[in-house]
Amino acid sequence: GEDVEQSLFLSVREGDSSVINCTYTDSSSTYLYWYKQEPGAGLQLLTYIFSNMDMKQDQRLTVLLNKKDKHLSLRIADTQTGDSAIYFCAECTNAGGTSYGKLTFGQGTILTVHP
Amino acid sequence: NAGVTQTPKFQVLKTGQSMTLQCAQDMNHEYMSWYRQDPGMGLRLIHYSVGAGITDQGEVPNGYNVSRSTTEDFPLRLLSAAPSQTSVYFCASTASGANVLTFGAGSRLTVL
Repeated sequence: GEDVEQSLFLSVREGDSSVINCTYTDSSSTYLYWYKQEPGAGLQLLTYIFSNMDMKQDQRLTVLLNKKDKHLSLRIADTQTGDSAIYFCAECTNAGGTSYGKLTFGQGTILTVHP
Repeated sequence: NAGVTQTPKFQVLKTGQSMTLQCAQDMNHEYMSWYRQDPGMGLRLIHYSVGAGITDQGEVPNGYNVSRSTTEDFPLRLLSAAPSQTSVYFCASTASGANVLTFGAGSRLTVL
């Protein structure tokens, strides 16, 4: 079955880079996602990457995908206190490329940014 | 556009009570889904729907019922609430072929 794993906690200083890691087991993953959840709020899509890509950059965010190792990472450059949140990795594995609204999520990584 | 709207935001139930969590979207999305979020476990899929009149089970469907009579609405019913159903519930929707989910703000349910 599908499984997505993340480390639970990450603590960084303001201005440093943060790297949040995720591993998944299903080699047929088509899309991989990063969502952000601030306290008491819903999930906000940060970025996503298609499985035939190795890297995607969007302003301060860089996503790296290693399909061989089934490893996904999210790098946040110049991390700010406003980046403190829970970050979820998720995968879509529907072979037809459509998730039908079904994603498999990791446990979430709590990012704490210290001034 | 309102996006995905969930009501209520907070609810406290006693064991054995029933209730319905409402979810509505105004984006004409075909696909809708319900997830529950528990600490350290991420989000797990309860039920999903690919269109009006069509629903299917996700990873953790026991204790929950759904129906989809219209494209816009996808209510989640708890027939006899249990403390194990204490959680935060999220509804999500996506258009056919879009592969990007839009989430509601969540409904926090406590079962005593």
